[in-house]
Parts: sequence; structure tokens; C-alpha cells
Amino acid sequence: QKEVEQDPGPLSVPEGAIVSLNCTYSNSAFQYFMWYRQYSRKGPELLMYTYSSGNKEDGRFTAQVDKSSKYISLFIRDSQPSDSATYLCAMTQSGNTPLVFGKGTRLSVIA
Amino acid sequence: DADVTQTPRNRITKTGKRIMLECSQTKGHDRMYWYRQDPGLGLRLIYYSFDVKDINKGEISDGYSVSRQAQAKFSLSLESAIPNQTALYFCATSEGTRETQYFGPGTRLLVL
Repeated sequence: QKEVEQDPGPLSVPEGAIVSLNCTYSNSAFQYFMWYRQYSRKGPELLMYTYSSGNKEDGRFTAQVDKSSKYISLFIRDSQPSDSATYLCAMTQSGNTPLVFGKGTRLSVIA
Repeated sequence: DADVTQTPRNRITKTGKRIMLECSQTKGHDRMYWYRQDPGLGLRLIYYSFDVKDINKGEISDGYSVSRQAQAKFSLSLESAIPNQTALYFCATSEGTRETQYFGPGTRLLVL
């Protein structure tokens, strides 16, 4: 079993839709969870960061962590064509252990 | 100016050649990382360095070596390039024990 599982998509939605992106993981020691956005031919950029369980909201983006289910989600409200990118989840036990990445979900938002 | 820069941005080389990819950062971060990204395989860690005198192997270090020349510079070398090292290579940085990493723009490498 891979440590982090993420559906690669591609996921195609109409503009204005609510998007849900998800990752599951197997290591219960993970405490720090991140979402990165990667545009084509660019480096990943940090989008959301959460510690332990709970929700975090930033504008149209909400990150949700359920440690009991080992499941994390990223919700995008009112999706825009500019949200079209690959979204990577990442997680770790601490700052002294390597980040473990999901393989990324490719999202297309159609105008 | 970008905080994390990588040179070259694109490189084509032949099997058996030695090549070096360079990473520089102006973020003042002490930790630096090298990843490769392949379609369907995601990001995989090659090497990482917590400070100038610290070098650690990642998940896929075979065939690669690194040098941390200064806090701001971290180079990745392929001693004898092979076609399956064709990939997108990213450098990243982080500060202290903070978990978040910041990525450079990537180097696209093609080994013929």
C-alpha cells in the first residue's frame, strides 16, 4: 500500500462548480498536511497548510483533515478557469522528516 | 526576482555524459531538497540537506550525487546520465523545522 493515495484524474468541471480533491494515507504519525498547486511547466506552489485535524479556509479554498479516517480534502468554491492545474497533497510527521507527496490530481475548469 | 532559481531550465544530453543542475535561493532558508517528477509517479525525493555540512539520501538517490556549496546553493549531478533519468527536476527549500517547502521552477532534462 502506498503511503499516500491520490486519484490522478483528470477531473473536468464547469466554471463555478465546487471541486473536491482528496487524498488518503496510511501513516497515522502524519500531523502536517499541505496542498500544492502546480501549473503546467511550473514548480509546485504552496496553497494550503494545516496541522492535525480540522478545517482551514482561505478565500475560495478550504482544506479539511480527518485524522481518524486518514483522509484529507481540498474544496474549491466558485471554481475558475485559472484554477486549472495539478493539485498535489503532501504530508509529514514533522519538519525533520521528508514530505510524502500524492501523485497529484489534474483539474480542468471549463469556461 | 524569484526566490528559488534553477539552471539550466532545459537540458538535452546524451547517455554517459556528466551533467550538473544548479539551485540557488535568496530566501535565507537552511534546508534544501532535490526532487524528480515523472508522469504517473509524482514527486520523489532524491537528496536533501539540512545545512551546509549535512547531506541525506532520499528515496531514489542511486545514479545521483549532490553538493551543498553554500547555504544558498545546492547542486545535483548525474555522473553518467541514462535515458531513464529523463524527468522534470525540482529544487525546494524550507526554513528550520518548518514543514512547508518552496519550490523552484524546475529543470526539464532529456537524456538521449
